[in-house]
Amino acid sequence: DGGITQSPKYLFRKEGQNVTLSCEQNLNHDAMYWYRQDPGQGLRLIYYSQIVNDFQKGDIAEGYSVSREKKESFPLTVTSAQKNPTAFYLCASSPGGGHQPQHFGDGTRLSIL
Amino acid sequence: AQSVAQPEDQVNVAEGNPLTVKCTYSVSGNPYLFWYVQYPNRGLQFLLKYITGDNLVKGSYGFEAEFNKSQTSFHLKKPSALVSDSALYFCACGSGANNLFFGTGTRLTVIP
Repeated sequence: DGGITQSPKYLFRKEGQNVTLSCEQNLNHDAMYWYRQDPGQGLRLIYYSQIVNDFQKGDIAEGYSVSREKKESFPLTVTSAQKNPTAFYLCASSPGGGHQPQHFGDGTRLSIL
Repeated sequence: AQSVAQPEDQVNVAEGNPLTVKCTYSVSGNPYLFWYVQYPNRGLQFLLKYITGDNLVKGSYGFEAEFNKSQTSFHLKKPSALVSDSALYFCACGSGANNLFFGTGTRLTVIP
C-alpha cells in the first residue's frame, strides 16, 4: 500500500545533541512538508519542499534543518539550537498544488532526556 | 493574512444526535478548505475538501461540510454521531500556494 512512513515513533534527545527524524513516501508525490504539533496550537509548518533539491522555510524553521536529495525522502534534523524541541512531529506529502489534500505519516514524538 | 479559527476546543454530543464542528477562515482569493481527523498518536486523515462548485461537500465516514462564502465558514457536520467519531478534528485552509494553514483543532467526544 502507498503511504508515508515516519521513524522512529518515539525519540529522545540529550542536551546539545542533534537528532534526525525520517520521512519516506511511496506515493510519488512532488511536495513534502514537516509540521510541529503542540497541544492547543494546531499544526505549525517547519519546512516544505515542492521538488527535489529545493526546500523553503515555514513559519517556525529556526533550530531545524532539512534535505531533499530524493523525491521519496525528506528527513528533518532537530538541532541543538532548537531550545524547546519536545513535540509531536508530522510529515506530509501531496501531489502539489494548494487544492490537493496532504497525506500524513503517523508522526514522531520527540522528548528531552 | 491567512488564518483559520475553530472557536470550540471541545464539542460533546450524544450518540445518534447530529454533530457540528465549526470553522471560519480568512484568506485572500478563493479558498481551498479541508477537514482532517486525528486519532491518538496518529497522523491526520483527510475527510473532505471544498475547492469549487457545490457548497455542500460529502466526505468519508458520513461526514459532510457546508461552505458559506458570506459567513466565511466551513462547518463539519454528521447527521448521526457514533462513539467511534470521537477524535480531534482540524480545519485547514489554503489559497493558490501549496501551503495549508491549520486551525487549533476541536476535540469531539460522542457520549454513549
